[in-house]
Amino acid sequence: TQLLEQSPQFLSIQEGENLTVYCNSSSVFSSLQWYRQEPGEGPVLLVTVVTGGEVKKLKRLTFQFGDARKDSSLHITAAQPGDTGLYLCAGSNSGGSNYKLTFGKGTLLTVNP
Amino acid sequence: SAVISQKPSRDICQRGTSLTIQCQVDSQVTMMFWYRQQPGQSLTLIATANQGSEATYESGFVIDKFPISRPNLTFSTLTVSNMSPEDSSIYLCSVGRGGAEAFFGQGTRLTVV
Repeated sequence: TQLLEQSPQFLSIQEGENLTVYCNSSSVFSSLQWYRQEPGEGPVLLVTVVTGGEVKKLKRLTFQFGDARKDSSLHITAAQPGDTGLYLCAGSNSGGSNYKLTFGKGTLLTVNP
Repeated sequence: SAVISQKPSRDICQRGTSLTIQCQVDSQVTMMFWYRQQPGQSLTLIATANQGSEATYESGFVIDKFPISRPNLTFSTLTVSNMSPEDSSIYLCSVGRGGAEAFFGQGTRLTVV
C-alpha cells in the first residue's frame, strides 16, 4: 500500500509570513497533485508535477517534486487570509483515464489577518 | 476541467435509514469515483463507477453497504445503506482526466443521528 505523509498536520500563521508544507512517501509516483479544499467544498486542483526535480509556480505558491519522485513540497510566500484551507497532496501511478489517487491526510492552514 | 454537481449538499438522517447521493457531470466521462472524507481525515476511495458494468470497490467497502449506479456517462449515484453514526462523513464524487488530475463535486455532508 502506498502512503503519503503530510506535515505539518496543522499550521496557524500571521498574514505575510512564509510557510512550507511537505508531502513524503517511500514509494515512487508517476505524478503528484496538490489540492486545496475550503469548508463545504470539494478539493480543487492547484497543480500537477510529473518530472523529478520539477518546480512549478502559481502566483505566490511554489511546488517542487523531489528528484526521486517520492516527495513534494508546497511553499507559500507572504501568506494571505485567502490562502486558508486544507491542502492535500495526492499521488498517482497510472496514466490515461484509468487511475487511482492516493491522498495524504492534509495540512490545515489558517492565515490570521 | 469538468463541472460536477452533487446533491444533496448536506443531510441529517436517522440511523437505520438509507441516503442516495446524486452526481451529475457536464460532460461524458468513462469513470467516476466516490470518496469518503471522515471528520479531520483525508479522502478514502470507496469505489470506481463504470458505465455499463459493476462498480469496483476498494478494500473495506462492500456493495451491500454502498450500492452504486452508473446509468449513463454523465451521472452516478451512491447509496449509503442502513446508516449508523459511524457513516457521518463528507461523500465526494470525482472524475479524472489523463494525467491523473481529479475534479470534485462540492461534496455531501452526511450526519447520522
